[in-house]
Amino acid sequence: GAVVSQHPSRVICKSGTSVKIECRSLDFQATTMFWYRQFPKKSLMLMATSNEGSKATYEQGVEKDKFLINHASLTLSTLTVTSAHPEDSSFYICSAREGGGAIGELFFGEGSRLTVL
Amino acid sequence: AQTVTQSQPEMSVQEAETVTLSCTYDTSESDYYLFWYKQPPSRQMILVIRQEAYKQQNATENRFSVNFQKAAKSFSLKISDSQLGDAAMYFCAYRSAWSGTASKLTFGTGTRLQVTL
Repeated sequence: GAVVSQHPSRVICKSGTSVKIECRSLDFQATTMFWYRQFPKKSLMLMATSNEGSKATYEQGVEKDKFLINHASLTLSTLTVTSAHPEDSSFYICSAREGGGAIGELFFGEGSRLTVL
Repeated sequence: AQTVTQSQPEMSVQEAETVTLSCTYDTSESDYYLFWYKQPPSRQMILVIRQEAYKQQNATENRFSVNFQKAAKSFSLKISDSQLGDAAMYFCAYRSAWSGTASKLTFGTGTRLQVTL
């Protein structure tokens, strides 16, 4: 199947700093990527839908100014956590859709664990 | 809005035995997709099986099969001949077939499956 890669897999930062997480589709073009957040032993919560060449669509309750999403190319979306706080510590997962329409299969990245000290 | 409910936070099965994981969902749509994803300790989400709502036949993938009851809005996963490698968190997920919602997945809270010798 298609491969989606996230980098970094783990990151530790100090409060107040910004952290960027990359999501790449390695062998297919993804016009749409999704960013999820997963708390320990919890389900995945959709944060935003990232569309290539346009603004991301954020879910209700997600601060767009805090979680900046950029989808500059068909193979790369980035999530930047700005002015990180300890409560932003979480596991962030991206997924990318291969193919168009509503039935294109989704592939997930390996996830990125963010720890804010 | 759609909701997905997994009422079993944890399940245990002996190796080579069969286990069934439950999932119910709520939707007003008639056309949609249902999925079971596996999240092993490595945390990368892996698609186990998918079901199109318009298909009456239950999906099967090797040792994995589903019992899809559309009227009851139930979508259970049966794992036959359980193996140690099946130990993971299993998430049930819903996706609308309407392209207007892109490929947004709504996840259940997950069931942690333990496989014992």
